[in-house]
Amino acid sequence: SAVISQKPSRDICQRGTSLTIQCQVDSQVTMMFWYRQQPGQSLTLIATANQGSEATYESGFVIDKFPISRPNLTFSTLTVSNMSPEDSSIYLCSVEDDRGDFYGYTFGSGTRLTVV
Amino acid sequence: LAKTTQPISMDSYEGQEVNITCSHNNIATNDYITWYQQFPSQGPRFIIQGYKTKVTNEVASLFIPADRKSSTLSLPRVSLSDTAVYYCLVGNDYKLSFGAGTTVTVRA
Repeated sequence: SAVISQKPSRDICQRGTSLTIQCQVDSQVTMMFWYRQQPGQSLTLIATANQGSEATYESGFVIDKFPISRPNLTFSTLTVSNMSPEDSSIYLCSVEDDRGDFYGYTFGSGTRLTVV
Repeated sequence: LAKTTQPISMDSYEGQEVNITCSHNNIATNDYITWYQQFPSQGPRFIIQGYKTKVTNEVASLFIPADRKSSTLSLPRVSLSDTAVYYCLVGNDYKLSFGAGTTVTVRA
């Protein structure tokens, strides 16, 4: 299965600033996904990033707040812009993984963001 | 996306079998059932996936009755390291919808 490297693993940021999270995959993948996991909560899909096209955002998430880049088939970034304490969460990237007969998804270890 | 319902938490002891049942009454014909495991400070990890009947791998077994309105994840002989949150997902495309999950706590 794919191996994902996500950076930074954690960060503490001042409100009003922006943080860019990187996701590197060890193989070429068509679709990459960004999730948010708020403290004590489950995962929520933010957007889907395809190489060569704009990201597709889920309801409640907008490009101005969470701009995404996908310059090639192994890399993507998610920026959390103009941060507020409500943005304190774990952000995870994920890729579709071909496991043979069925498909599953591999997740990175996440970026734990604290906004102060 | 089919809604899933699973217990919030379960306690067990080392060496026991843990069975987590997930209800998905509105499952569609082409939906798969997938279970993920998440440890603290890690992303979810794929455990097992099935469509009907029984699926077994080196980690777990997945039992799916004929009507597919529920499924049961079975973890044989759990150890302390199996303490985690387990998510049941139902769907057939890339839009994974995570419910609240089941927190399984294994005690010595």
